[in-house]
Amino acid sequence: SQTIHQWPATLVQPVGSPLSLECTVEGTSNPNLYWYRQAAGRGLQLLFYSVGIGQISSEVPQNLSASRPQDRQFILSSKKLLLSDSGFYLCAWSYGTSGRSQQFFGPGTRLTVL
Amino acid sequence: QKEVEQDPGPLSVPEGAIVSLNCTYSNSAFQYFMWYRQYSRKGPELLMYTYSSGNKEDGRFTAQVDKSSKYISLFIRDSQPSDSATYLCAMSAWGIQGAQKLVFGQGTRLTINP
Repeated sequence: SQTIHQWPATLVQPVGSPLSLECTVEGTSNPNLYWYRQAAGRGLQLLFYSVGIGQISSEVPQNLSASRPQDRQFILSSKKLLLSDSGFYLCAWSYGTSGRSQQFFGPGTRLTVL
Repeated sequence: QKEVEQDPGPLSVPEGAIVSLNCTYSNSAFQYFMWYRQYSRKGPELLMYTYSSGNKEDGRFTAQVDKSSKYISLFIRDSQPSDSATYLCAMSAWGIQGAQKLVFGQGTRLTINP
C-alpha cells in the first residue's frame, strides 16, 4: 500500500529565516506530487505540482519554491520567510498515468512564522 | 467571483440526522468532483470521487453532481458524532500529463451532536 510522509509536523520560524519542508511517498513509482497551503479557516490552495524528477510547475507567484530531486521526494523551500507564509502545508500524490486519478494527502506541516 | 463556492458553516445537527453539504462552481471545464473529510489538524481524506452527473453512493454517503446547474452535493445519512469534521469539495478539469489541479471550496465545518 502507498504511504505519504511529511516532516516536520510542526515548525515555528522567525521572519526572514529559511524553510525546508520534505515530503516522501512510499509504495508507488513515478507519482505526480503536489504542494498545497491551507490558511486558517480556508480551503486548500495549490502551490506547485510535479509530474517527474526535476519538473516543477508553479501555480501562484510567491516567496516559495519547490524541487523534486528524486522520484518520490518533493521539497518546499524558502530563502526568507514572511509572516504571510504561515499556514498548514500539505503534500499530496496521485498516480502518474491518468488525468482522472484521485489525490491522496499527507498529514501536513503546520508552519508559524513569527 | 471564486471558482468554487462553499458555505463555511458551521453546521450543527443531532445524531442520526441527514446532512446535506453543497458547492457551486463557475468553471464549466470542471469534469472531476471530489469530497474530502478533514479532521482538526489532520490532512484531508478522500471520501467520494465522481466524474459524471448523477448520484454515487458509498455506505452512508451519497455524492450528487448536476453539471447543468454547476452544483454538487454530499449527503450523509444516519449521521454519527465521528462524522464531525470539515468537509471540503474539490474539482478539476482534464489532467495535464496525468496531473490534476484541484480547486477547493472553503470547507464546511460540521458538528454532529450526540
